Amino acid sequence: DTGVSQDPRHKITKRGQNVTFRCDPISEHNRLYWYRQTLGQGPEFLTYFQNEAQLEKSRLLSDRFSAERPKGSFSTLEIQRTEQGDSAMYLCASSDLGPRVSPLHFGNGTRLTVT
Amino acid sequence: SQQGEEDPQALSIQEGENATMNCSYKTSINNLQWYRQNSGRGLVHLILIRSNEREKHSGRLRVTLDTSKKSSSLLITASRAADTASYFCATVGPSGGYQKVTFGTGTKLQVIP
Repeated sequence: DTGVSQDPRHKITKRGQNVTFRCDPISEHNRLYWYRQTLGQGPEFLTYFQNEAQLEKSRLLSDRFSAERPKGSFSTLEIQRTEQGDSAMYLCASSDLGPRVSPLHFGNGTRLTVT
Repeated sequence: SQQGEEDPQALSIQEGENATMNCSYKTSINNLQWYRQNSGRGLVHLILIRSNEREKHSGRLRVTLDTSKKSSSLLITASRAADTASYFCATVGPSGGYQKVTFGTGTKLQVIP
């Protein structure tokens, strides 16, 4: 399967703990996106990478959030000192030619529950 | 913030009927895309319509775009139980930046067998 894969699928953590999610995009895609989705809402943009460069960050991404994409391949999203409001589905997507030309390909997400 | 708003928020129809969902957006676009999401899964791209196009078809899907009204509609004909999902419109800005993709709030479709 050459789709976007995300790990883990589910994560339950206690408030104050750090969590890290991983995304493996489609191999030939150089654009990678992170979105957050809460129940009943559409995905909200968090951050965007083109190759290894992080080109855009949403104001939603507080200083507790950090994302990396070393060597322009897989990406990680870390949340430090988690809060209950961080509970959501975290979606990763990749694209080859950019959304003006081609669509986003999404993984199945990581569902985070902060207790 | 989310650019698009879908209408209705929820729709329940019988199998075989047509389903129509509407999307309104606020700013100029390069293109508008529709995605589908099954419960607990990621989004799957359905169709992309560019700002200079008015209508596009793909199988049982028909999308229209009216840039003067900043609105789009997605029609699913002869619906099936397997079409039960949430449907989102997403807009891509016309210029600059990284071509941000902004999603709407979604329409939850239930097709009753």
